[in-house]
Amino acid sequence: QQQVKQSPQSLIVQKGGISIINCAYENTAFDYFPWYQQFPGKGPALLIAIRPDVSEKKEGRFTISFNKSAKQFSLHIMDSQPGDSATYFCAARRGGASKIIFGSGTRLSIRP
Amino acid sequence: DAGVIQSPRHEVTEMGQEVTLRCKPISGHNSLFWYRQTMMRGLELLIYFNNNVPIDDSGMPEDRFSAKMPNASFSTLKIQPSEPRDSAVYFCASSLSGRAVDTQYFGPGTRLTVL
Repeated sequence: QQQVKQSPQSLIVQKGGISIINCAYENTAFDYFPWYQQFPGKGPALLIAIRPDVSEKKEGRFTISFNKSAKQFSLHIMDSQPGDSATYFCAARRGGASKIIFGSGTRLSIRP
Repeated sequence: DAGVIQSPRHEVTEMGQEVTLRCKPISGHNSLFWYRQTMMRGLELLIYFNNNVPIDDSGMPEDRFSAKMPNASFSTLKIQPSEPRDSAVYFCASSLSGRAVDTQYFGPGTRLTVL
């Protein structure tokens, strides 16, 4: 059972544009939603995370928007740069649990 | 800190052979996770340990897979016998504790190819 659905599978954005990746979850017990960034040949690394008690979290050019009623959240990358080209995974964790449920990933390419 | 260390980085073996992947977590971290990444199935949690004790091994695909953590600084994932469908990148990750908010730090991965 896929508990975190991620789209699109791949995304091409021009340099300076806004990259948007969407995720939806099913389990209302999830209460922590991290995003991971993975460069080729590397392991995933935590990028930014949010709890459902806030609707938005911003760190630099990266923003998570969270819609609890719709059970959806999204990552926005403002002023996208070629160095942002990577695979992005949304994820969810249940309170008190160590297990992360990952989305299927989005391969982002930023064209110069 | 050197981060999570995995070895080998690449492993090529023939079907039926035993494969052992190794992981050294970040010093002071009490939780350790083994993941498998494939194009078809994405990132899957295989097993995780807390204070060297296996907590959840429900992701281990079958009895051919086993994992141990004999001490706080070392863990192994063993596949015996290996099959071509085991080809994947295997990641080890560690976190300070098992709390949901604790960041998991991933190693560079071991790319396994079973011929």
